[in-house]
Amino acid sequence: EPEVTQTPSHQVTQMGQEVILRCVPISNHLYFYWYRQILGQKVEFLVSFYNNEISEKSEIFDDQFSVERPDGSNFTLKIRSTKLEDSAMYFCASSVSRLGLDGYTFGSGTRLTVV
Amino acid sequence: EDKVVQSPLSLVVHEGDTVTLNCSYEVTNFRSLLWYKQEKKAPTFLFMLTSSGIEKKSGRLSSILDKKELFSILNITATQTGDSAVYLCAVSGVWGAGTKLIIKP
Repeated sequence: EPEVTQTPSHQVTQMGQEVILRCVPISNHLYFYWYRQILGQKVEFLVSFYNNEISEKSEIFDDQFSVERPDGSNFTLKIRSTKLEDSAMYFCASSVSRLGLDGYTFGSGTRLTVV
Repeated sequence: EDKVVQSPLSLVVHEGDTVTLNCSYEVTNFRSLLWYKQEKKAPTFLFMLTSSGIEKKSGRLSSILDKKELFSILNITATQTGDSAVYLCAVSGVWGAGTKLIIKP
């Protein structure tokens, strides 16, 4: 069964450092998403991406965040200068249709720890 | 502001019991309601509901949507310890906080 793959599974970084989280969505999916989940809290939408541009973003997705699809298969989330409160599980997801009307497929997540 | 509220926040039952999880919503532009199960990591897709009154069923799990009263329920019958998870509801991109279900042997 096709799956969304994310790397790394766990990253520890110092405050102020830049991190890039990587995702390979399912190949025939057109919409890509990043979510985060702070430990014990709800899943929060960050950004959606379609046709090589951001289609929606939340208030969380400020200037410190950026997304890119550099080569037609990878979908990356960059955090420019990490803060302690960026520590969370970051999930990438993809879907065939907008807003995951057919159901999003999630990757297994990257646990980011900022120290 | 769009919101999705799930209840209860957590639930502990014994194996074999039946549970009902609730998801109520207020969104400006309803398209679909999705149920997910989250165990250790990524949420896994359970159901997508778009029409009122039509039950979706998968084994011991079933779900139904009421678009007039703006809620959905997820039923799990004959629960097993493997059903222990957080159950998430999402409506048109807005996620609830989840219901943490613990099944005791």
